Amino acid sequence: GESVGLHLPTLSVQEGDNSIINCAYSNSASDYFIWYKQESGKGPQFIIDIRSNMDKRQGQRVTVLLNKTVKHLSLQIAATQPGDSAVYFCAENIRRAGKSTFGDGTTLTVKP
Amino acid sequence: GAVVSQHPSRVICKSGTSVKIECRSLDFQATTMFWYRQFPKQSLMLMATSNEGSKATYEQGVEKDKFLINHASLTLSTLTVTSAHPEDSSFYICSARDFSAGASYEQYFGPGTRLTVT
Repeated sequence: GESVGLHLPTLSVQEGDNSIINCAYSNSASDYFIWYKQESGKGPQFIIDIRSNMDKRQGQRVTVLLNKTVKHLSLQIAATQPGDSAVYFCAENIRRAGKSTFGDGTTLTVKP
Repeated sequence: GAVVSQHPSRVICKSGTSVKIECRSLDFQATTMFWYRQFPKQSLMLMATSNEGSKATYEQGVEKDKFLINHASLTLSTLTVTSAHPEDSSFYICSARDFSAGASYEQYFGPGTRLTVT
Protein backbone atom coordinates (compact mmCIF):
# COMPACT_ATOMS: atom_id res chain seq x y z
CA GLY A 1 0.00 0.00 0.00
CA GLU A 2 0.96 3.65 -0.05
CA SER A 3 3.37 4.75 2.61
CA VAL A 4 5.27 7.71 3.83
CA GLY A 5 8.76 7.08 5.13
CA LEU A 6 11.57 8.95 6.78
CA HIS A 7 15.21 8.61 5.82
CA LEU A 8 16.74 8.82 9.31
CA PRO A 9 15.23 7.54 12.53
CA THR A 10 17.29 9.77 14.84
CA LEU A 11 18.96 13.14 14.61
CA SER A 12 21.17 14.76 17.20
CA VAL A 13 22.16 18.40 16.91
CA GLN A 14 23.84 21.03 19.00
CA GLU A 15 21.72 23.81 20.42
CA GLY A 16 21.75 26.74 18.02
CA ASP A 17 22.44 24.66 14.95
CA ASN A 18 19.95 24.18 12.16
CA SER A 19 18.15 20.85 11.84
CA ILE A 20 16.92 19.19 8.69
CA ILE A 21 14.50 16.28 8.82
CA ASN A 22 13.66 14.46 5.61
CA CYS A 23 10.68 12.47 4.45
CA ALA A 24 9.76 10.49 1.36
CA TYR A 25 6.20 9.86 0.28
CA SER A 26 4.84 7.53 -2.33
CA ASN A 27 1.24 8.50 -3.08
CA SER A 28 1.30 10.78 -6.10
CA ALA A 29 -2.32 11.70 -5.41
CA SER A 30 -1.45 13.37 -2.11
CA ASP A 31 -1.97 17.10 -2.31
CA TYR A 32 -1.39 18.25 1.23
CA PHE A 33 1.53 17.58 3.55
CA ILE A 34 1.97 18.28 7.21
CA TRP A 35 4.75 18.14 9.75
CA TYR A 36 3.92 17.26 13.33
CA LYS A 37 5.89 17.33 16.55
CA GLN A 38 5.09 14.77 19.20
CA GLU A 39 6.38 14.90 22.74
CA SER A 40 6.35 11.83 24.92
CA GLY A 41 2.87 10.84 26.02
CA LYS A 42 1.13 13.55 24.04
CA GLY A 43 -0.78 13.82 20.80
CA PRO A 44 0.82 15.22 17.63
CA GLN A 45 1.20 18.97 17.47
CA PHE A 46 0.85 20.73 14.14
CA ILE A 47 4.01 22.53 13.03
CA ILE A 48 3.55 23.55 9.43
CA ASP A 49 1.78 22.42 6.30
CA ILE A 50 2.19 22.81 2.58
CA ARG A 51 -0.05 22.22 -0.38
CA SER A 52 1.13 20.43 -3.48
CA ASN A 53 0.99 23.59 -5.57
CA MET A 54 3.80 25.07 -3.50
CA ASP A 55 7.42 24.05 -3.11
CA LYS A 56 8.34 26.06 -0.04
CA ARG A 57 6.60 27.48 2.96
CA GLN A 58 8.05 29.28 5.93
CA GLY A 59 6.88 29.65 9.47
CA GLN A 60 8.46 30.83 12.65
CA ARG A 61 11.92 29.17 12.68
CA VAL A 62 10.61 26.39 10.44
CA THR A 63 10.61 25.88 6.71
CA VAL A 64 9.04 23.05 4.75
CA LEU A 65 10.29 22.17 1.30
CA LEU A 66 8.37 19.99 -1.11
CA ASN A 67 9.88 18.32 -4.17
CA LYS A 68 7.11 16.59 -6.04
CA THR A 69 9.44 15.33 -8.74
CA VAL A 70 11.17 12.98 -6.32
CA LYS A 71 8.33 12.85 -3.80
CA HIS A 72 10.41 14.34 -1.02
CA LEU A 73 9.55 16.58 1.88
CA SER A 74 11.85 18.22 4.38
CA LEU A 75 11.52 20.22 7.57
CA GLN A 76 14.16 22.74 8.45
CA ILE A 77 14.35 24.10 11.97
CA ALA A 78 16.52 27.15 12.45
CA ALA A 79 18.50 27.76 15.62
CA THR A 80 17.35 24.52 17.21
CA GLN A 81 16.53 24.75 20.90
CA PRO A 82 16.32 22.10 23.64
CA GLY A 83 12.54 22.50 23.57
CA ASP A 84 12.58 21.25 19.99
CA SER A 85 13.60 17.79 21.19
CA ALA A 86 10.76 15.47 20.21
CA VAL A 87 9.68 13.00 17.55
CA TYR A 88 8.81 14.60 14.23
CA PHE A 89 6.39 13.02 11.78
CA CYS A 90 5.54 13.96 8.27
CA ALA A 91 2.10 13.10 7.02
CA GLU A 92 0.55 13.06 3.60
CA ASN A 93 -3.06 13.80 2.97
CA ILE A 94 -5.62 14.04 0.24
CA ARG A 95 -7.57 17.15 1.15
CA ARG A 96 -10.98 15.96 0.06
CA ALA A 97 -10.57 12.78 2.13
CA GLY A 98 -9.07 14.35 5.22
CA LYS A 99 -7.27 11.33 6.64
CA SER A 100 -3.51 11.43 6.97
CA THR A 101 -0.88 8.76 6.42
CA PHE A 102 2.03 9.17 8.79
CA GLY A 103 5.69 8.47 8.23
CA ASP A 104 7.86 6.54 10.67
CA GLY A 105 9.08 9.50 12.68
CA THR A 106 12.49 11.03 13.42
CA THR A 107 13.64 11.54 16.97
CA LEU A 108 15.36 14.89 17.29
CA THR A 109 17.67 15.36 20.24
CA VAL A 110 19.10 18.79 20.92
CA LYS A 111 22.27 18.88 22.99
CA PRO A 112 22.82 21.97 25.12
CA GLY B 1 -6.43 26.64 16.83
CA ALA B 2 -9.33 24.33 17.47
CA VAL B 3 -9.27 22.02 20.46
CA VAL B 4 -9.94 18.30 20.59
CA SER B 5 -10.19 16.52 23.91
CA GLN B 6 -10.07 12.86 24.85
CA HIS B 7 -11.32 11.05 27.90
CA PRO B 8 -9.93 9.27 29.76
CA SER B 9 -6.27 10.15 29.39
CA ARG B 10 -5.24 6.84 30.93
CA VAL B 11 -7.15 3.65 31.58
CA ILE B 12 -6.19 0.25 32.93
CA CYS B 13 -8.58 -2.61 32.41
CA LYS B 14 -8.61 -6.35 32.83
CA SER B 15 -8.39 -8.73 29.93
CA GLY B 16 -11.82 -9.55 28.53
CA THR B 17 -13.48 -6.29 29.53
CA SER B 18 -14.51 -3.42 27.28
CA VAL B 19 -13.26 0.14 27.39
CA LYS B 20 -14.81 3.26 25.89
CA ILE B 21 -12.73 6.25 24.83
CA GLU B 22 -14.34 9.60 24.03
CA CYS B 23 -13.16 12.18 21.54
CA ARG B 24 -14.71 15.63 21.55
CA SER B 25 -14.27 18.68 19.38
CA LEU B 26 -14.68 21.58 21.77
CA ASP B 27 -15.12 24.61 19.60
CA PHE B 28 -16.07 23.37 16.17
CA GLN B 29 -18.33 20.80 14.61
CA ALA B 30 -16.56 17.74 13.27
CA THR B 31 -18.54 15.74 10.78
CA THR B 32 -15.52 13.49 10.47
CA MET B 33 -13.13 12.25 13.09
CA PHE B 34 -10.23 9.86 12.80
CA TRP B 35 -8.95 7.24 15.20
CA TYR B 36 -5.28 6.30 15.31
CA ARG B 37 -3.32 3.79 17.32
CA GLN B 38 0.32 4.19 18.24
CA PHE B 39 2.54 1.51 19.73
CA PRO B 40 5.73 2.50 21.58
CA LYS B 41 8.41 4.01 19.35
CA GLN B 42 6.21 3.60 16.31
CA SER B 43 4.22 5.87 14.10
CA LEU B 44 0.50 6.60 14.18
CA MET B 45 -1.56 4.06 12.29
CA LEU B 46 -5.01 5.04 11.12
CA MET B 47 -7.65 2.65 12.41
CA ALA B 48 -10.86 4.15 11.12
CA THR B 49 -12.68 7.20 9.91
CA SER B 50 -15.69 8.13 12.00
CA ASN B 51 -18.56 9.83 10.19
CA GLU B 52 -21.35 11.59 12.02
CA GLY B 53 -24.64 9.82 11.51
CA SER B 54 -23.25 6.92 9.51
CA LYS B 55 -21.07 3.87 9.86
CA ALA B 56 -17.37 4.21 10.37
CA THR B 57 -14.93 3.27 7.65
CA TYR B 58 -12.24 0.91 8.89
CA GLU B 59 -8.75 0.52 7.51
CA GLN B 60 -7.63 -2.82 6.20
CA GLY B 61 -6.79 -5.23 8.99
CA VAL B 62 -8.77 -3.42 11.69
CA GLU B 63 -11.56 -5.53 13.18
CA LYS B 64 -14.74 -3.49 13.18
CA ASP B 65 -16.44 -5.80 15.68
CA LYS B 66 -13.59 -5.35 18.11
CA PHE B 67 -13.17 -1.60 17.76
CA LEU B 68 -16.66 -0.15 17.83
CA ILE B 69 -16.97 3.44 16.71
CA ASN B 70 -19.96 5.65 17.28
CA HIS B 71 -20.21 9.22 16.05
CA ALA B 72 -23.60 10.24 17.37
CA SER B 73 -23.16 13.99 17.35
CA LEU B 74 -21.14 16.63 15.56
CA THR B 75 -18.80 16.98 18.52
CA LEU B 76 -18.43 13.48 19.89
CA SER B 77 -17.01 10.21 18.63
CA THR B 78 -16.41 7.18 20.81
CA LEU B 79 -14.15 4.20 20.35
CA THR B 80 -14.99 1.07 22.32
CA VAL B 81 -12.38 -1.63 22.56
CA THR B 82 -14.36 -4.79 23.17
CA SER B 83 -13.02 -7.88 24.90
CA ALA B 84 -9.69 -6.19 25.39
CA HIS B 85 -6.49 -8.23 25.44
CA PRO B 86 -2.96 -7.24 26.45
CA GLU B 87 -1.99 -6.80 22.79
CA ASP B 88 -4.57 -4.01 22.57
CA SER B 89 -2.51 -1.99 25.01
CA SER B 90 -1.53 1.10 23.10
CA PHE B 91 -1.84 4.86 22.79
CA TYR B 92 -5.10 5.76 21.07
CA ILE B 93 -5.33 9.18 19.46
CA CYS B 94 -8.25 10.83 17.76
CA SER B 95 -8.30 13.76 15.42
CA ALA B 96 -10.98 15.92 13.89
CA ARG B 97 -11.25 18.14 10.92
CA ASP B 98 -13.62 20.97 10.28
CA PHE B 99 -15.09 20.31 6.86
CA SER B 100 -17.25 23.42 6.86
CA ALA B 101 -16.85 25.93 4.05
CA GLY B 102 -13.79 28.09 4.41
CA ALA B 103 -12.20 25.94 7.09
CA SER B 104 -8.56 24.99 6.82
CA TYR B 105 -7.42 21.49 5.96
CA GLU B 106 -5.71 21.18 9.30
CA GLN B 107 -6.44 18.13 11.40
CA TYR B 108 -6.68 18.76 15.12
CA PHE B 109 -5.40 16.00 17.36
CA GLY B 110 -6.48 15.01 20.82
CA PRO B 111 -3.98 14.41 23.62
CA GLY B 112 -4.31 10.65 23.38
CA THR B 113 -5.52 7.88 25.67
CA ARG B 114 -3.08 5.37 27.13
CA LEU B 115 -4.78 1.97 27.39
CA THR B 116 -3.18 -0.77 29.43
CA VAL B 117 -4.82 -4.18 29.47
CA THR B 118 -3.69 -6.48 32.28
